[in-house]
Amino acid sequence: AQSVTQPDIHITVSEGASLELRCNYSYGATPYLFWYVQSPGQGLQLLLKYFSGDTLVQGIKGFEAEFKRSQSSFNLRKPSVHWSDAAEYFCAVSVEYGNKLVFGAGTILRVKS
Amino acid sequence: DTAVSQTPKYLVTQMGNDKSIKCEQNLGHDTMYWYKQDSKKFLKIMFSYNNKELIINETVPNRFSPKSPDKAHLNLHINSLELGDSAVYFCASSQDDGSLPGLARDTQYFGPGTRLTVL
Repeated sequence: AQSVTQPDIHITVSEGASLELRCNYSYGATPYLFWYVQSPGQGLQLLLKYFSGDTLVQGIKGFEAEFKRSQSSFNLRKPSVHWSDAAEYFCAVSVEYGNKLVFGAGTILRVKS
Repeated sequence: DTAVSQTPKYLVTQMGNDKSIKCEQNLGHDTMYWYKQDSKKFLKIMFSYNNKELIINETVPNRFSPKSPDKAHLNLHINSLELGDSAVYFCASSQDDGSLPGLARDTQYFGPGTRLTVL
């Protein structure tokens, strides 16, 4: 079965430091890949998505992600984290038909000043 | 303007009761979804509807019955609530036509969630 793994449950970074959140997927073909962010008490907001083409995709709020087929990974990065980036981040893949998104377990990002 | 709205935001109820959560989207999307986020923040799809037609039903107990009066609304009715139903329920919508083969391309827009607590 298709699955998404986010190995890090919590990550703490200093404000201004760089960030990388890991995501690995298990799927036979190239899936469509997404990163969502959930701020406390809020719904999920799409940061970026990858379908095809350039494997480095740019998203909102200064985030980017790189699709690496050989590693079945789609890691999220940001060069300089802001305190407002503290939230929970979910990686998701779209598989089969019917618009089904399969989510990872999420990574909680804490930002220290 | 809120794109996807849910009511209520919080719902506390006793075991055995029947409750409904309402969802409305004003984006003109064709497809709507219900997701359940459990206490460990694991988010899993429950249902999707396209133009009032059920597309996905992820082996959810039949105590859960989605109802779509029109394509802008997808309500979730839960009968005989159990402790394990406590979770945050998210509604979402997208422009994808879920009846066609292929992968979901369009962004799913999520509502703010409804935190259901069953006592």
